Amino acid sequence: QSALTQPASVSGSPGQSITISCTGTSSDVGAYNYVSWYQQHPGKAPNLMVYDVSNRPSGVSNRFSGSKSGNTASLTISGLQAEDEADYYCSSYTSSSTYVFGTGTKVTVL
Amino acid sequence: EVQLLESGGGLVQPGGSLRLSCAASGFTFSTYPMSWVRQAPGKGLEWVSTIGGSGVLTYSADSVRGRFAISRDNSKNTLYLQMSSLRAEDTAVYYCAKYHTGWFVGPFDYWGQGILVTVSS
Repeated sequence: QSALTQPASVSGSPGQSITISCTGTSSDVGAYNYVSWYQQHPGKAPNLMVYDVSNRPSGVSNRFSGSKSGNTASLTISGLQAEDEADYYCSSYTSSSTYVFGTGTKVTVL
Repeated sequence: EVQLLESGGGLVQPGGSLRLSCAASGFTFSTYPMSWVRQAPGKGLEWVSTIGGSGVLTYSADSVRGRFAISRDNSKNTLYLQMSSLRAEDTAVYYCAKYHTGWFVGPFDYWGQGILVTVSS
């Protein structure tokens, strides 16, 4: 199972919006609406930000939103804040009953 | 409050074995599938293995199948990962993670703090 493809880095200024893409295949991202996004600060465990493509867990800011089209999912962070600087990983359930993560994207707030 | 606490990590020689444990609290442990996810130093997240709530169903990544075994003891609210034939590329921080629902489809809504496993001579 190959990792989902994400851009290595994305940057934006405070207040701007950025979008992170996550490209998979018809066996994972394209097959199910079970795409999730995690935020990870250095030295910390990942934190769930979006699940089932576009749902937010309680406590997660509505500045984080998710979507999907075909084999590509996206995470948009609007009103970028300094605290959003972190690594972000997408993930998907697969047709093999396994789980796959994306390659990870480092978000930098300029 | 949900808590997941890993233990059992450390330094092991190539070809050696190690058992990780994850003590869970704050939820009905037997209701939820659980997984192990690892992260090599400076690298991304890699799903390792999943086990169903009853412990019957298990799934593992190709990279560890036949070498690692996931199990659970619902009477002790504890998840395990028995690792054998360890290789240098197994060096990573290992996280235990709880599924959001009773289904295997994810996501992982709670994670442990992680435990470091170093495979080196």
